[in-house]
Amino acid sequence: DVKVTQSSRYLVKRTGEKVFLECVQDMDHENMFWYRQDPGLGLRLIYFSYDVKMKEKGDIPEGYSVSREKKERFSLILESASTNQTSMYLCASRRGQHNSPLHFGNGTRLTVT
Amino acid sequence: KNEVEQSPQNLTAQEGEFITINCSYSVGISALHWLQQHPGGGIVSLFMLSSGKKKHGRLIATINIQEKHSSLHITASHPRDSAVYICAAQRPGANSKLTFGKGITLSVRP
Repeated sequence: DVKVTQSSRYLVKRTGEKVFLECVQDMDHENMFWYRQDPGLGLRLIYFSYDVKMKEKGDIPEGYSVSREKKERFSLILESASTNQTSMYLCASRRGQHNSPLHFGNGTRLTVT
Repeated sequence: KNEVEQSPQNLTAQEGEFITINCSYSVGISALHWLQQHPGGGIVSLFMLSSGKKKHGRLIATINIQEKHSSLHITASHPRDSAVYICAAQRPGANSKLTFGKGITLSVRP
């Protein structure tokens, strides 16, 4: 079974702090994604990566950056956390071929105070 | 208008009932995904289909490409089916992104 592991389940940070959210997958998947999920808005794509050192902006990249130095790890960085970044963050991965299923991590609930 | 619409928004059913959740999309797709999210956050992929019908246990997913519509059916529903059900449209092309519906919250009462 594919395992996608997010480093923290719950995180509380202060406004202005730099925040790192880590995601690791163990199935050699090419594609990795970071989403945020908010009530009434559903899942929205922040960034995705289809290969090591490759990244593309999703629908809401402002205030975020990402890093993919190794195939199994995809990091989401909040350079200066703000209260409107309080949300559930979900990482996902899948094979880089047509029509392969997504595998999600358990999510990180981030609160910025 | 959202590219992926789900209906109804919330659904309550009695244990044992047959349940249908609908998903309509307005974009060209290579596949349609159905996902399940239980309270606590974790999302599980239920189905990925590009035509016809798929069945897994008590769950059945169908898709009509011409009408741009998919349904998820749950037979003999059980309280453990209570979850948020999300459909997502996958655009054609390698490394393509998914566009998600907002999800349906299903509650099955014992």
